[in-house]
Amino acid sequence: DAMVIQNPRYQVTQFGKPVTLSCSQTLNHNVMYWYQQKSSQAPKLLFHYYDKDFNNEADTPDNFQSRRPNTSFCFLDIRSPGLGDAAMYLCATRTGGSYNEQFFGPGTRLTVL
Amino acid sequence: QQQVKQSPQSLIVQKGGISIINCAYENTAFDYFPWYQQFPGKGPALLIAIRPDVSEKKEGRFTISFNKSAKQFSLHIMDSQPGDSATYFCAASRQGAQKLVFGQGTRLTINP
Repeated sequence: DAMVIQNPRYQVTQFGKPVTLSCSQTLNHNVMYWYQQKSSQAPKLLFHYYDKDFNNEADTPDNFQSRRPNTSFCFLDIRSPGLGDAAMYLCATRTGGSYNEQFFGPGTRLTVL
Repeated sequence: QQQVKQSPQSLIVQKGGISIINCAYENTAFDYFPWYQQFPGKGPALLIAIRPDVSEKKEGRFTISFNKSAKQFSLHIMDSQPGDSATYFCAASRQGAQKLVFGQGTRLTINP
């Protein structure tokens, strides 16, 4: 019954080794978000897609990229992970046009060695 | 203008007591105020939300109180239980906006 699914739940990578996190949704929502959350902090928005339109936050490092090949899937690519990129990465979705009711996935915990 | 200030940062309440978390905002264009509950290692889950056309919304033991003139809103958890121990985030948004503005979070601990 999971509506926003993130894989893997835990990811370990080495410093500088590219990594891809995935998100899928069964809600058919127009909007998909990627957030970074570090310990004891609020989620920080990296970017979002409204349908195929990509919207990058001004302070999101170039090291972070995203792809949305279709409505259901969205990927977060970290090209050269640094130690500071270790965090929980959250995917969220919402229906476009409504109040901003966002549904979050369970997150992927990224460890950088 | 875009900030939402949340307090306290951490809160300890005895089982059966009332937990109260407060948030304040500046942007009068905000018209949607959700609360999220997050357990360790999990994603945030939408708990309850309010729009400014009402001053209070109740769902079970959870109540949002909204004061439009003071630009404040708060979450009240009645009969708090150990299972309510989690981090709570308030947030705000305006209709048509794509982003939520989050508060800093409150770590709630309910002692048995």
